[in-house]
This record gives sequence, C-alpha cells and structure tokens, in this order.
Amino acid sequence: DAKTTQPNSMESNEEEPVHLPCNHSTISGTDYIHWYRQLPSQGPEYVIHGLTSNVNNRMASLAIAEDRKSSTLILHRATLRDAAVYYCILAQGGSEKLVFGKGTKLTVNP
Amino acid sequence: SQTIHQWPATLVQPVGSPLSLECTVEGTSNPNLYWYRQAAGRGLQLLFYSVGIGQISSEVPQNLSASRPQDRQFILSSKKLLLSDSGFYLCAWSVGLSVWVSPLHFGNGTRLTVT
Repeated sequence: DAKTTQPNSMESNEEEPVHLPCNHSTISGTDYIHWYRQLPSQGPEYVIHGLTSNVNNRMASLAIAEDRKSSTLILHRATLRDAAVYYCILAQGGSEKLVFGKGTKLTVNP
Repeated sequence: SQTIHQWPATLVQPVGSPLSLECTVEGTSNPNLYWYRQAAGRGLQLLFYSVGIGQISSEVPQNLSASRPQDRQFILSSKKLLLSDSGFYLCAWSVGLSVWVSPLHFGNGTRLTVT
C-alpha cells in the first residue's frame, strides 16, 4: 500500500488560511493524490484530488510539489465547520482500495 | 442528485447473533459500491467492493460477507458476530473508472457494538 505521512494534529484560527502538509516520497508516476475529511461520527467527505498540476475547487486548493513527493491542502479561510480529521491518500491505478491512515486532526479556534 | 442511505445508525448485538446492514444509493446507475470499517482509534479498512450486480471482491478474509442483489443495493452480513466485529461501518459509492480518479462518497455509517 502506498504510504503517506501527515502531522497528527494542527490548529488554526477562524478565517485564517490553513496549510495541511502531506509527504508521499514513494509515490509512483500514476498515483493520484486524494484528500478526504471526516467530521466526528460521520463518514469521510471527498475534498479534492490531483495528479501533477495544482487543483482548485469550491472547498479547497491542492498544491503538488514538482517532484510529487509532497503536497499541501489549502483551506483559504478556515471556519469552525472545517474542524475535522483530514486524510491524504495515494490512489493507485488498478486498485479499488483507498488506504486511510490516521490523518491530521484540525482544530479551528474561534 | 445522488444520495446514499445506510441503516440503522446504531446497533447493539450480542456475540453469536447474525448481522445484516443495508445500503442503497439513489440518483445514479451502475455505481461501484464499497463497505469500509473503522475500528475505535484506527483508520478505515476496506472490507468489500462491488463493480456490478453479483460481483463481490473481498479485501480482508473474516467473519463477514457481502452481497449485491440489485444495482444500487449493497448488503453486509455475518452469521455469527464476534466482539472484534464492533466498529463504525461505512457504505460508499463511486462512478466512473475507479476510485483511482473518481471521488468516493460515503454514507453516515452504522455504529455496531457487539456485547
């Protein structure tokens, strides 16, 4: 299974940007980088995914390093509703299995 | 719009009793369907997935089985529950090629406690 490394926890203040890092030094050329988040007692929610280029959607931005060995999920203005566990996952071609690690628990302070 | 229904939300069952969890998806055809489990303090683990009616792939050999009797229905079963079956069970769906490039959409889960 492809491995990712994330900090266990991070804190942010409301209405400030948040940069959530992820290291994936063993990524292969065809692995997509996916981000999901999970609020307490709920199922995970898809946030964003990308291959090489930076990606933006209504929820967040994904910045991918040029060598693809790391990526950063950017929440442009954190709200209290963004407090969740954020998972960085490598999706491998030919596999239906997404490996969810422990993720980063994001706390947003009012 | 697509929705996923999973029930019940919570369940307490004695050891040795049977289990049946049901999941249905609305608003899409021929989805890929998945069962995940999250044990306390651990990450999500893929249990089964299905790319079509009657087609089930098992990721972890254990005390559970899955069936897909209809296009948008996915059922997780056990004949005799073990204490280790306790956890948060999540059904999910995706469309497109695979979760490699398509988002996975989760239901709200069933919290199962085996006593």
